[in-house]
Amino acid sequence: EAGVAQSPRYKIIEKRQSVAFWCNPISGHATLYWYQQILGQGPKLLIQFQNNGVVDDSQLPKDRFSAERLKGVDSTLKIQPAKLEDSAVYLCASSLGGGYTEAFFGQGTRLTVV
Amino acid sequence: DQQVKQNSPSLSVQEGRISILNCDYTNSMFDYFLWYKKYPAEGPTFLISISSIKDKNEDGRFTVFLNKSAKHLSLHIVPSQPGDSAVYFCAVGGSNYKLTFGKGTLLTVNP
Repeated sequence: EAGVAQSPRYKIIEKRQSVAFWCNPISGHATLYWYQQILGQGPKLLIQFQNNGVVDDSQLPKDRFSAERLKGVDSTLKIQPAKLEDSAVYLCASSLGGGYTEAFFGQGTRLTVV
Repeated sequence: DQQVKQNSPSLSVQEGRISILNCDYTNSMFDYFLWYKKYPAEGPTFLISISSIKDKNEDGRFTVFLNKSAKHLSLHIVPSQPGDSAVYFCAVGGSNYKLTFGKGTLLTVNP
């Protein structure tokens, strides 16, 4: 079974530039999550999708971050414009349902904003 | 305001001994608890979970204990192996199915 795929693995951009991350969840997984993990911290949920609908985006900085889930499968997370404090690993995860079935994580995208 | 606290940033144990990782939470409404393991340059992987109706769940060398009155859970690894060296995150969930993670504990198992 293929795991959660994310790209790119690494990205370096200058502040005020824009960047996009892509995620392909495990086939058949209805729930998709984007997490931000700053160095030394635990993952923080940015947005949760159930199929192509948003379940929770309460911690997404909506003035600069946006996310969409295309046809309930792939998802993209965009930052525009980026700030220095956005430097982090962005993790995508998926799970079968919206309950407590454990989430499977991708390898993440390490973003450095300079 | 941290809802989930892992107060030990790191833990070092000898191979074959027990590793005990601790996690405290503040909200009594949380009712599902998970442990994830993370190797460098990889995403977290699910390890073991427990719901609030239980106080213990065991899976091979890994056991999670839940003390609801103290709002405390722990992960026991017996016996510890060098391959267990990783960062361990506890995560808690409530009625909205949203998971909140602790900061993690770096476990080092020395041969």
